Amino acid sequence: DAKTTQPPSMDCAEGRAANLPCNHSTISGNEYVYWYRQIHSQGPQYIIHGLKNNETNEMASLIITEDRKSSTLILPHATLRDTAVYYCIVRSSSPSNDYKLSFGAGTTVTVRA
Amino acid sequence: DAGVIQSPRHEVTEMGQEVTLRCKPISGHNSLFWYRQTMMRGLELLIYFNNNVPIDDSGMPEDRFSAKMPNASFSTLKIQPSEPRDSAVYFCASSLAGAEYEQYFGPGTRLTVT
Repeated sequence: DAKTTQPPSMDCAEGRAANLPCNHSTISGNEYVYWYRQIHSQGPQYIIHGLKNNETNEMASLIITEDRKSSTLILPHATLRDTAVYYCIVRSSSPSNDYKLSFGAGTTVTVRA
Repeated sequence: DAGVIQSPRHEVTEMGQEVTLRCKPISGHNSLFWYRQTMMRGLELLIYFNNNVPIDDSGMPEDRFSAKMPNASFSTLKIQPSEPRDSAVYFCASSLAGAEYEQYFGPGTRLTVT
């Protein structure tokens, strides 16, 4: 599975956009980029995923570079409740491995008032 | 939908005792996962079931750990005998099979073995 690299931590001002980078330079063509977050003392929560195209849902936007070697998760208007650890995960679509989510250390995002 | 349900939410037990953690997946999901999270090792996959059949148990630490899924709506993770190093938060997750489907996690069971 492709490895991901994320900054260990970042701060964000409440009401501003939070841009979370992720490098996955060894990603292969059949691998998805997934984002999860984990708020303190809760289970991980799915945010968004994409393969090649940019994606948007009610929680966030995912921008994947054309070469797919990096991506950015955008929280458009961060709130204090968005304070969490954010995980960028590369997930295979191969039927033998498609269930695996390898959680790294993630990025600890702190939203400040 | 109530989401993935886990019980108990907290468990404190003494070394050597048997511990059973329970999980009810989201109705209609055919994949179930048990994870363990510690500060040292992060979030690790212990075992994966598909259609109630264990597919990948390579993450189960040792023979003291066992997991069952007798039907589509219930799974257990058992530790016997428990040891202090088993102290962790154990998460159950469920999903539809396939990389395009997200896994939904339960609230976790915080296990403390003294």
